[in-house]
Amino acid sequence: QVQLQESGPGLVKTSETLSLTCIVSGDSIRSYYWSWIRQPPGKGLEWIGYIYYSGSTNYSPSLKSRVTISLDTPKNQLSLKLTSVTAADTAVYYCARGANYYRYWGQGTLVTVSS
Amino acid sequence: DIQMTQSPSSLSASVGDRVTITCQASQDITNYLNWYQQKPGKAPKVLIYDASKLETGVPSRFSGSGSGTDFTFTISSLQPEDFATYYCQQFANVPRTFGQGTKLEIK
Repeated sequence: QVQLQESGPGLVKTSETLSLTCIVSGDSIRSYYWSWIRQPPGKGLEWIGYIYYSGSTNYSPSLKSRVTISLDTPKNQLSLKLTSVTAADTAVYYCARGANYYRYWGQGTLVTVSS
Repeated sequence: DIQMTQSPSSLSASVGDRVTITCQASQDITNYLNWYQQKPGKAPKVLIYDASKLETGVPSRFSGSGSGTDFTFTISSLQPEDFATYYCQQFANVPRTFGQGTKLEIK
């Protein structure tokens, strides 16, 4: 059974870096693409980007200058870093398996950006 | 970016009703479209992929159709557990984009 679990600080200060981890169990991160998607409170879904185990990435143009997605294959986990955050980055952040469609999702983690 | 326009943005319906949601892409995406259901406080769940293929384990009352720029998602007979928000999502291009969502409420 594939499970994904996000973790990280629930509160990040304005202008600092948001860092999240997604631990994958029941599957190898070497087998698929892995994505990050976010959802501001009460709003719709926004794709952040994806990574393949080879290390190749693709990011949303609107976030590309601030975002890094990486893999830690020994730990079977992926991570998200988003720099220079503002209140507009407040959202529930999800990791998900896939690049085209998302069958497996984490439960999501709320990150609030505040000064 | 490919813009995905869903309609309606909200919908009131009764158990047993047939419900249809539409999604229009700003350019041709062939059949590169998925539909998700999201309940409050939960991650989205894929129901339909490749525009018309039913995800394993999803009840057959859910269906999808369309190609090119115009797509339809249908629930043939609403059940109490179907009241949720539904999103379309294209994967023809990067960035992947979602429709704004359709909130399905109980009448």
